[in-house]
Amino acid sequence: GAVVSQHPSWVICKSGTSVKIECRSLDFQATTMFWYRQFPKQSLMLMATSNEGSKATYEQGVEKDKFLINHASLTLSTLTVTSAHPEDSSFYICSATHPRGPYEQYFGPGTRLTVT
Amino acid sequence: AQSVAQPEDQVNVAEGNPLTVKCTYSVSGNPYLFWYVQYPNRGLQFLLKYITGDNLVKGSYGFEAEFNKSQTSFHLKKPSALVSDSALYFCAVRDKVGNRDDKIIFGKGTRLHILP
Repeated sequence: GAVVSQHPSWVICKSGTSVKIECRSLDFQATTMFWYRQFPKQSLMLMATSNEGSKATYEQGVEKDKFLINHASLTLSTLTVTSAHPEDSSFYICSATHPRGPYEQYFGPGTRLTVT
Repeated sequence: AQSVAQPEDQVNVAEGNPLTVKCTYSVSGNPYLFWYVQYPNRGLQFLLKYITGDNLVKGSYGFEAEFNKSQTSFHLKKPSALVSDSALYFCAVRDKVGNRDDKIIFGKGTRLHILP
């Protein structure tokens, strides 16, 4: 159990367009989901914490109007990159907190975004 | 704020030899520490965690980690390395401020190369 999926696994879009990435917990309900960004050969940078039914909490330096997060249900959170630019190209990873405990976070496989 | 440091960008070990991937931490209060592994273009997989109890924590794939309070370290170890252990390893620490949701702060990662 404790599987988290992301869709799409990779996406290429043109500058100025918006892209939506989905994160789903497949076999458990997650009250909290997290969105990370990872640059090549670098660590994961936490972007925001997403709670079902409430506004996301963004980390310092992350533009909330650019990276829109919606946590519509206990199994789905979405990240929309609005008006994407080449510098937004990155690997985006979500994680979900399992009800077993706040320390039990399960990660999705990631989404590779390339903005041309 | 909580943080972890991984002093080595890369570790090379011959197959069959013991391996150690280093991690030191800086926390206020009791540390909640984790190790994750990431294979190329994949999300993170949980290896093990230290919350409380025995200082030697056993995890997935034969890995273990030793919590050392006096040295503020949480090094990852395995008695006999496999080529399939080659991956990117992240040490992480739980961070919680006030009533905010738990979040995980990652080290910069250590690339482990197991040489056949």
